[in-house]
Amino acid sequence: DSGVTQTPKHLITATGQRVTLRCSPRSGDLSVYWYQQSLDQGLQFLIQYYNGEERAKGNILERFSAQQFPDLHSELNLSSLELGDSALYFCASSVPSYQETQYFGPGTRLLVL
Amino acid sequence: AQKITQTQPGMFVQEKEAVTLDCTYDTSDPSYGLFWYKQPSSGEMIFLIYQGSYDQQNATEGRYSLNFQKARKSANLVISASQLGDSAMYFCAMREGQIRQGGSEKLVFGKGTKLTVNP
Repeated sequence: DSGVTQTPKHLITATGQRVTLRCSPRSGDLSVYWYQQSLDQGLQFLIQYYNGEERAKGNILERFSAQQFPDLHSELNLSSLELGDSALYFCASSVPSYQETQYFGPGTRLLVL
Repeated sequence: AQKITQTQPGMFVQEKEAVTLDCTYDTSDPSYGLFWYKQPSSGEMIFLIYQGSYDQQNATEGRYSLNFQKARKSANLVISASQLGDSAMYFCAMREGQIRQGGSEKLVFGKGTKLTVNP
């Protein structure tokens, strides 16, 4: 158990819908990262927050948005869903350190039908 | 160009034997970190081992060791005494740049190697 929690574990929805994925980082971790894992794209960085502020954006679609709240939990919002958005979405967190190791949550498996 | 290359889509090893999973990386930044993660069939990503670009010695964590050859830009994972539970996907990842120096600490991943341990 990495200490990072993600809900829900599984999500099945229809095209055009909107969903929210939630992540609680490990206690004390200030950075939260979101990654998408799909068969064709592999593991791709979406976005990073550090202590409530957006720090970096990767290959995140405009239909996707995220935020980190004062209690440091984070939400990833996916809207106008398409079939190609079906993937495993990971949240990871890290504590400021020499290694800055990222610990991953169990992921949310999203299926868009 | 790919930043992380894992050339072995699949590897097979006999139980109790050692196996090396290859990883090469591409960066012009002198400061970087290299990570290996394990992803079992259940899907979670498990951190295994870390190597910093300035680390003088190869990293070791139990049965895992990292064969770091900086000049060749390779960071191969060595698993000794393989166990059936080692069967999984293994991902090599890199973080570029110094931590919190204005950049992101995001990871770039390779495509992974599927390891199968045979009894």
